[in-house]
Amino acid sequence: KAGVTQTPRYLIKTRGQQVTLSCSPISGHRSVSWYQQTPGQGLQFLFEYFSETQRNKGNFPGRFSGRQFSNSRSEMNVSTLELGDSALYLCASSHHGGNEKLFFGSGTQLSVL
Amino acid sequence: GESVGLHLPTLSVQEGDNSIINCAYSNSASDYFIWYKQESGKGPQFIIDIRSNMDKRQGQRVTVLLNKTVKHLSLQIAATQPGDSAVYFCAENESGNTPLVFGKGTRLSVIA
Repeated sequence: KAGVTQTPRYLIKTRGQQVTLSCSPISGHRSVSWYQQTPGQGLQFLFEYFSETQRNKGNFPGRFSGRQFSNSRSEMNVSTLELGDSALYLCASSHHGGNEKLFFGSGTQLSVL
Repeated sequence: GESVGLHLPTLSVQEGDNSIINCAYSNSASDYFIWYKQESGKGPQFIIDIRSNMDKRQGQRVTVLLNKTVKHLSLQIAATQPGDSAVYFCAENESGNTPLVFGKGTRLSVIA
């Protein structure tokens, strides 16, 4: 069974641009979560989608948004990029979320110049 | 790859020794706990989990201990190998559909 796939692997953007990251969960998994990882803050929860609905949201500004499609694939978007958005963005999937382990992709490394 | 935890606490152990990585959590309502391993350039990889109705769980070369009284979680790795060198994260969540909350991580360095 294929693991969680994230594309692209690396991205370089400039301030003010917007970016879309993609995540394909493990087949059969309906919950997709997104995390931001930085050296200073560790893994910070962004949001979780289940059956195309956002079920949980972390403490991030509205510039960060996401969606989930009927095949459980998910995208996240960051608009009006800031230097501080430079981070590793991790996607994780699970069968139904909640008290179960998450399976992570390798992440998208975003650099904002 | 990413630079993870420039200021992480670091544990250095000799190859073949046992390692103990500790984690304190603050949410007394947490009832599910999990350990992840993250190698450079990769996403976190599941190691072992434990629910609050247990205080110990063993896997292959790993043991997780949970002390709810003092809100402490530990990961023990037996016969540590060079391939165990990585950053280790504990994570927790409450029952229901709440997100996993991650600790800051500990870097394990195995000395051959």
